[in-house]
Amino acid sequence: DTGVSQDPRHKITKRGQNVTFRCDPISEHNRLYWYRQTLGQGPEFLTYFQNEAQLEKSRLLSDRFSAERPKGSFSTLEIQRTEQGDSAMYLCASSPRTGARTDTQYFGPGTRLTVL
Amino acid sequence: QQPVQSPQAVILREGEDAVINCSSSKALYSVHWYRQKHGEAPVFLMILLKGGEQKGHEKISASFNEKKQQSSLYLTASQLSYSGTYFCGTEDFGNEKLTFGTGTRLTIIP
Repeated sequence: DTGVSQDPRHKITKRGQNVTFRCDPISEHNRLYWYRQTLGQGPEFLTYFQNEAQLEKSRLLSDRFSAERPKGSFSTLEIQRTEQGDSAMYLCASSPRTGARTDTQYFGPGTRLTVL
Repeated sequence: QQPVQSPQAVILREGEDAVINCSSSKALYSVHWYRQKHGEAPVFLMILLKGGEQKGHEKISASFNEKKQQSSLYLTASQLSYSGTYFCGTEDFGNEKLTFGTGTRLTIIP
């Protein structure tokens, strides 16, 4: 069990550029979540997958954001035409989804995005 | 709607006790507690399910009052390693996802 990994750890981009982040969940975890966290705030839900199916997307997520999990393993989060307001820590979490309603979510180290 | 945590920040001397509260306006199925140190990922502490059970983890325990939609995290005989920001994440009956509170920053001084 190597934990949830995210790449890159830091990303600096210019406004208007596209960026893509990758998340590798814990092996055999079939649920994967994306969150955004700004300074002094708790993680804010963006979207989640069960295997390759995207089950829910936050209403706060604009059309510039898209996420995929093509084979039910790793996931990517893309932000198009970045804005300064997108600057934040993007966190990924996975959970085993054992069949019980509530499962522990294990977080990765995050990708810190800075939009200049 | 985001759960409300109190206090927002607390400073303790090593060995003192602390209580962190989490309140929601929604009927909750579960409450998850995490600790996050600066620049690191949130680390899972424990889950409280409806039913008012209390759970413990070394000197950290928590309770869940489902009638009041409140959970409290108890830290006893605090250690320097307990410093960090504590978040509650709530799961209501309509969604299988967590909504996190604004956090409580805990600072332990020697």
